Amino acid sequence: EVQLLQSGGGLVQPGGSLRLSCEASGFTFSDYAMSWVRQAPGKGLEWVSAIGSRGDAIYYADSVRGRSTISRDNTWNILYLQINNLRAEDTAVYYCVKPIFTVPGTRWFDPWGQGTLVTVSS
Amino acid sequence: DIQMTQSPSSVSASVGDRVTITCRASRDISSRLAWYQQKPGKVPRLLIYSASSLQSGVPSRFSGRGSGTDFSLTISSLQPEDIAIYYCQQADSFPLTFGGGTRVKIK
Repeated sequence: EVQLLQSGGGLVQPGGSLRLSCEASGFTFSDYAMSWVRQAPGKGLEWVSAIGSRGDAIYYADSVRGRSTISRDNTWNILYLQINNLRAEDTAVYYCVKPIFTVPGTRWFDPWGQGTLVTVSS
Repeated sequence: DIQMTQSPSSVSASVGDRVTITCRASRDISSRLAWYQQKPGKVPRLLIYSASSLQSGVPSRFSGRGSGTDFSLTISSLQPEDIAIYYCQQADSFPLTFGGGTRVKIK
């Protein structure tokens, strides 16, 4: 069974940093590009960042570019998202997501991780 | 960036009704569109990919159509368990973008 187990959320002060983790199992992690998607409380879905299967191709949303780093460890099957200089508008549930096919360019996601809440507040 | 516009923002229908949600892309995305369902308090779930392909395990009452800039998701016979927010997502280019969501309610 494919599983994406997330950790690392919590309450952070404005200007602080956080690293989110997503431990993958049940599939060959190194074959898949991966992404992060977030959802502010009561709001819609916002794609945040993507990384190629070998960690090469990396993309960011404008809202986090310059403050965030996506990375992966294909030995331990873990996806990471580090966000620095956190702002109130970064408050959201962050989801780790897997594309349904290994084919490069597949950007339809299933399953989604359980989500981890990041709250930026003083 | 490609803007995705969904309509309506909310729809109320009776059990057994046919419900259609539309999604418009700000430019041609061919068939590179997905639909997701998010039930209250739950994680989003993929329903349709490539505009019209049904994801494994999704009931056949869900269907998608369209290409280019105009797309639709249809629930052929609304069931109580279909109460959710539905989102479209373009998969054509980064940044990936989602529609604002359509809330489906039972009348």
